[in-house]
Amino acid sequence: EVQLVESGGGLVKPGGSLRLSCAASGFTFSHAWMSWVRQAPGKGLEWVARVKNRRYGGTREYAAPAKGRFSISRDDSTNTVSLQMNSLETGDTGVYYCTTDEEGIAGRRWGLGTLVTVSS
Amino acid sequence: QSVLTQPPSASGTPGQRVTISCSGGISNIGINSVNWYQQLPGTAPKLLIHSNNQRPSGVPDRFSGSKSGTSASLAISGLQSEDEADYYCGTWDDGLNVKWVFGGGTKLTIL
Repeated sequence: EVQLVESGGGLVKPGGSLRLSCAASGFTFSHAWMSWVRQAPGKGLEWVARVKNRRYGGTREYAAPAKGRFSISRDDSTNTVSLQMNSLETGDTGVYYCTTDEEGIAGRRWGLGTLVTVSS
Repeated sequence: QSVLTQPPSASGTPGQRVTISCSGGISNIGINSVNWYQQLPGTAPKLLIHSNNQRPSGVPDRFSGSKSGTSASLAISGLQSEDEADYYCGTWDDGLNVKWVFGGGTKLTIL
């Protein structure tokens, strides 16, 4: 059974940091490109970052709001993708989903999400 | 403001057919395939349609997708109460900075 399980969310003050993790199982993780997508309360979906697989050099790409503050990484030995978030702002509040991009299909699989709340 | 434009709401009665539009531009829908995602209340999004018109295993054939030029649409026939959800279109944008873009979402209400 395919599973994506996010962890690491919580309450943090503006300017603080959080590290999100996503543990994957049930598919060939090393072949997949992995993304983080977030959803602010009552709002739509917003892509945050993507990391390609080793065949594509593990290239990392970021949405404009994440550039310079967030860092995505992957560990194919543990089937994990992480998102290091620094200098957090209130606008970063929301549920963060881990998703796969397999065989050119973006968002093929989704985790249940982890809630990040940035508030003083 | 979303890069892709969807109507904020749609509605229909059980058994009816409803369509949801998604409008984009040359750098996104114009050159890339479109996916649709269904988000039931309180749950994570789920892939509903990929590559413009392909249904993943397990998705009923009541759901269909199409694309023409810089627009796409999702059609749901034989509406059922469990179809009440938010629907998002999404694709990659190959502009100055590559990014995955979504529509603002359409809330489908079954009357």
